[in-house]
Parts: sequence; structure tokens; C-alpha cells
Amino acid sequence: QKEVEQNSGPLSVPEGAIASLNCTYSDRGSQSFFWYRQYSGKSPELIMSIYSNGDKEDGRFTAQLNKASQYVSLLIRDSQPSDSATYLCAVNMDAGGTSYGKLTFGQGTILTVHP
Amino acid sequence: EPEVTQTPSHQVTQMGQEVILRCVPISNHLYFYWYRQILGQKVEFLVSFYNNEISEKSEIFDDQFSVERPDGSNFTLKIRSTKLEDSAMYFCASRGTLAEQYFGPGTRLTVT
Repeated sequence: QKEVEQNSGPLSVPEGAIASLNCTYSDRGSQSFFWYRQYSGKSPELIMSIYSNGDKEDGRFTAQLNKASQYVSLLIRDSQPSDSATYLCAVNMDAGGTSYGKLTFGQGTILTVHP
Repeated sequence: EPEVTQTPSHQVTQMGQEVILRCVPISNHLYFYWYRQILGQKVEFLVSFYNNEISEKSEIFDDQFSVERPDGSNFTLKIRSTKLEDSAMYFCASRGTLAEQYFGPGTRLTVT
């Protein structure tokens, strides 16, 4: 069974702090990794994608990927109360070259940013 | 900015009835997906659709489910005989040539 694991939290950080969210995946051949934000009752919203080992920065968000450790993380700098949401890690685990992009999701980490 | 749209936003149906959930993917996208999320649980893949045929489906996607792209813009999910356990949020997603998938706002299906 191919799995994506996240700490469900809740993770509580003060406004202005760095929030660190982590995700591990079981399929070593996975190629594509995504972070989605989901507000309560809403749909997943794509915030970051990463495909290569290392860091990728976009504004206040940094995604980090370590394929050897099968680990992907998301850092949110200068956290704001509006960042309070569930953060979903999603992985495309099909490395066979015939991928049509099926995503396997983790259960999500609830982030609360308090003023 | 282009977005995926879904209708209806909420559908209430009785057990055993058929429902059709509708999606309009982003216009130049080629790959289409349905996912569902039971309240408090993970987002689960149901089916992917490419080049007018199903490319992959999960074990959830049994014979009571079907998908169709009837007119080149809409993408539908039909559940033939709904069960109580089909109650969930159903999300449509689409992607273009890149790997990123964009989700619609979802349809909340309630089976009574």
C-alpha cells in the first residue's frame, strides 16, 4: 500500500513565526510532490510543487525535498492568521513513465496561527 | 484566472437514486480527475480521464460509477445507485501539460 504520512497536528505557531510542516512517502520512485492548502469546507488549493531534491521558494513558502530520505516539507515564513488551514501533502507515486497524474494525499496537518 | 467549476455545490439524494456531478475543467487542460473526501478523512483518488477514456481508476470506482466528457467542455461523474457511504465531497481536478492539478470547489453529496 503506497502511503503518504503527515503529522495531523494541530500545529500552533504565533503570528510572525516560521511554521514547519512535514511529510513522508513510501514509494521511492515518486517523482512529483505538491502542497495544497485546504480551508474548512473548501477544496484543496495548490500552493507549491517540487520535483527535484533541494529547496524551492515562492514568496513566504519554501518547499524542501529529500528523495533519499523520502521526505518533503513546507516552511511558511512570517506566518499570518490567514495561513490557518489544513495543509495537504500530495505525491504522484507513478514513476513508470505512464503516469496520468493520480495523486496520493496525506491526511493533512492542521495549522493554527495565533495573533 | 482560469478555474475549474463544479455544479451543483450541494446535492441531496435518497439512497438508490442516480446522481450526476458536473465539472467544467480549465479549457486547455488535457487530464481530468475525480477525487472524493469523506468528512474528516483524506482526499482519495477515484478516476483519471485522458484522451476521452479512463486512464486509471481506484478500487473505490466500481461499477456504480462512470465518467463522461459529453461535449468537449463538461466532465461528469455519475453514481448509478447511491449508498449512504457515498456521502462525501467530490472534487474535480484538471491539469495541462505540467503536473500541477487544480481543483474545483467541490460538490457536497448527501445520501439519505
